[in-house]
Amino acid sequence: TQLLEQSPQFLSIQEGENLTVYCNSSSVFSSLQWYRQEPGEGPVLLVTVVTGGEVKKLKRLTFQFGDARKDSSLHITAAQPGDTGLYLCARREDKLIFGTGTRLQVFP
Amino acid sequence: NAGVTQTPKFRILKIGQSMTLQCTQDMNHNYMYWYRQDPGMGLKLIYYSVGAGITDKGEVPNGYNVSRSTTEDFPLRLELAAPSQTSVYFCASRQRKAPGALHFGNGTRLTVT
Repeated sequence: TQLLEQSPQFLSIQEGENLTVYCNSSSVFSSLQWYRQEPGEGPVLLVTVVTGGEVKKLKRLTFQFGDARKDSSLHITAAQPGDTGLYLCARREDKLIFGTGTRLQVFP
Repeated sequence: NAGVTQTPKFRILKIGQSMTLQCTQDMNHNYMYWYRQDPGMGLKLIYYSVGAGITDKGEVPNGYNVSRSTTEDFPLRLELAAPSQTSVYFCASRQRKAPGALHFGNGTRLTVT
């Protein structure tokens, strides 16, 4: 089984703080996606990364794909309460497996 | 376009009963997926399909069956429901080409008592 481990599992921070979420695997990804899920809804795609070392920015979110394509990180700058949710990484392959998830809570 | 439509939204089953969760998409996506999500947890892949007539097991297929007779429909069958199958079930679809974002249905909340 090709597991995707995310850390931390839970994160509770104050508005304005910065944070980083990690996604790790023992095997190489062909490409990786990050999703965010809000309560009662399905996940929504944030970004797809394909190339080792790739960095993508989405407003205050910065996504990085490791050089060896076995890991990825999501950095949020100046977190806001609207960032609260479950963050999931996923291997973009036919058998699309999600990571274990990081539940983020941002308090005002 | 309606996107991905799941029915029913809620269902309560007794142990040993059977049911089919319906999923249909109108985006002509080749790839379709069924996930389950237990409270406070991530998504686990049950079954997936890369096209009509083709299905394959995911991470947690035991106790479930699927079929894919058309591109649009991907029903999930639960035989002999067990309390361990209490969960929220999500159907999703995507196109083969990049970026290939998953489009999710609104979920089915199933309770087995």
